[in-house]
Amino acid sequence: QSVLTQPPSASGSPGQSVTISCTGSSSDVGGYDYVSWYQQHPGKAPKLMIYDVSERPSGVPDRFSGSKSGNTASLTVSGLQETDEADYYCSSYAGTNNFVFGSGTKVTVL
Amino acid sequence: QVQLVESGGGVVQPGKPLRLSCVGSGFTFGFYGMHWVRQAPGKGLEWVAIISPDGGEQYYADSVKGRFTISRDSSKSTVYLEMNRLRLEDTAVYYCARDRSFFYGMDVWGQGTTVTVSS
Repeated sequence: QSVLTQPPSASGSPGQSVTISCTGSSSDVGGYDYVSWYQQHPGKAPKLMIYDVSERPSGVPDRFSGSKSGNTASLTVSGLQETDEADYYCSSYAGTNNFVFGSGTKVTVL
Repeated sequence: QVQLVESGGGVVQPGKPLRLSCVGSGFTFGFYGMHWVRQAPGKGLEWVAIISPDGGEQYYADSVKGRFTISRDSSKSTVYLEMNRLRLEDTAVYYCARDRSFFYGMDVWGQGTTVTVSS
């Protein structure tokens, strides 16, 4: 199983927006709308932020949004806050009963 | 509230077995697929295994296929991960996670249990 490609880091000042990409292939991201995004603070468990490409679970601020174009999914965090500083991972169903995560992106609030 | 609690982690020698458990509460356990996901120190998330809501299907990452076995006892709201022939590279925090259905993606995560494989 291969890993989805994410940039190692991204940053922005408070109030700004940051967008993280998640690039796979037609066998995973491009082939299914089962892309999710997770936020993970140091020493904590991951937390679901986006599912099915662009859906937000109850309780997740609408500052978080997701989209997909072809084999690349994206997570945008608008109105950056200090609490948004964390690692972010994408995931996708990869067909033939496989599941794959992204390599992870560390978001820094400057 | 919906909760998952893992247990069973510890220090184990290479080649030895270990069994992890994860108890769910606050939801109808038998309605959901369940995953195990691991995270090696300083590394990213790695999917390990999934079991279907009825327990009839199990699928594994290539890295653990043939060594790990996922199972569930819905009467106890518990999912297990039996790990055999452990290797140094299996050292990680192991999380159990609920799938929104089966292979839709995880929506609830446990706090994790640490497995250290060391001689």
